[in-house]
Amino acid sequence: EVQLVQSGAEVKKPGESLKISCEGSEYSFTNYWIGWVRQMPGKGLEWMGIIHPGDSDTRYSPSFQGQVTISADKSIRTAYLQWSSLKASDTAMYYCARRDSEAFDYWGQGTLVTVSS
Amino acid sequence: DIQMTQSPSSLSASVGERVTITCRASQSITSYLNWYQQKPGKAPKLLIYSASSLQSGVPSRFSGSGSGTDFTLTISSLQPEDFATYYCQQSFGTTETFGQGTRVEI
Repeated sequence: EVQLVQSGAEVKKPGESLKISCEGSEYSFTNYWIGWVRQMPGKGLEWMGIIHPGDSDTRYSPSFQGQVTISADKSIRTAYLQWSSLKASDTAMYYCARRDSEAFDYWGQGTLVTVSS
Repeated sequence: DIQMTQSPSSLSASVGERVTITCRASQSITSYLNWYQQKPGKAPKLLIYSASSLQSGVPSRFSGSGSGTDFTLTISSLQPEDFATYYCQQSFGTTETFGQGTRVEI
C-alpha cells in the first residue's frame, strides 16, 4: 500500500531553521509529484508548492515563494520542506501528499510545527 | 493565482438529507477540479477528481459535476460519517489553490 510517512512534531523558537521530511513507499517515487500543504490552527488548506523527485522540478505558490524551500532526495525516497528563519506565523500543521495525474491521492499524517519564544 | 470560492462556508443538515456544496473559480479551469473531505485531526481524503470522477473506495452517494468556472459536490443522502469539512482544489494552473472549505454540521 502506498504510504507517506512524515517526520515528527517540532517545537522551535523564532529565527531558528527547520527541515521536515516525507518518506514515500510502495510506489515509484520518481514518477509522482509530491506537494506540501499548510493548515494553520483552525483554518483551511493552503497549497504551498510541489516537487517532482525525478528531476527536482519545483513550483511554489506566490504566497510561499522565498519563504520556504522544497527539495527531494530520490535515493532515499524523501521529500523535504525547510525554513531558514522561522516566524511565529509558521505555526501550523504541514501535510505532504502524492499528486496523481490531477489530484493529491495519498497524504502523509501531518507534521505539527510550533514556533514560540 | 486562480481563486477558488466555496459556498456556503458552513451548513447544517440531517442524516438522510441531500447536500450540495458549490465551488467557483476566478477563471476557467475546464475540469481540473478536485474535492477533498477532512475530519478533525485527520489528513484530507480525496473524494472526487477531474470534477466528476469518483476516487476508488469512495461511496457512490458522493458525486461531482461542473466545468469551466462552476462546480458542485453533492452528497445524495448524508450519513453520520459525512460530517466533516469539504474543500475544492483547482489543479489547472502551474500553481494550485484550495477553496476556503465548507463545514457540514449536524
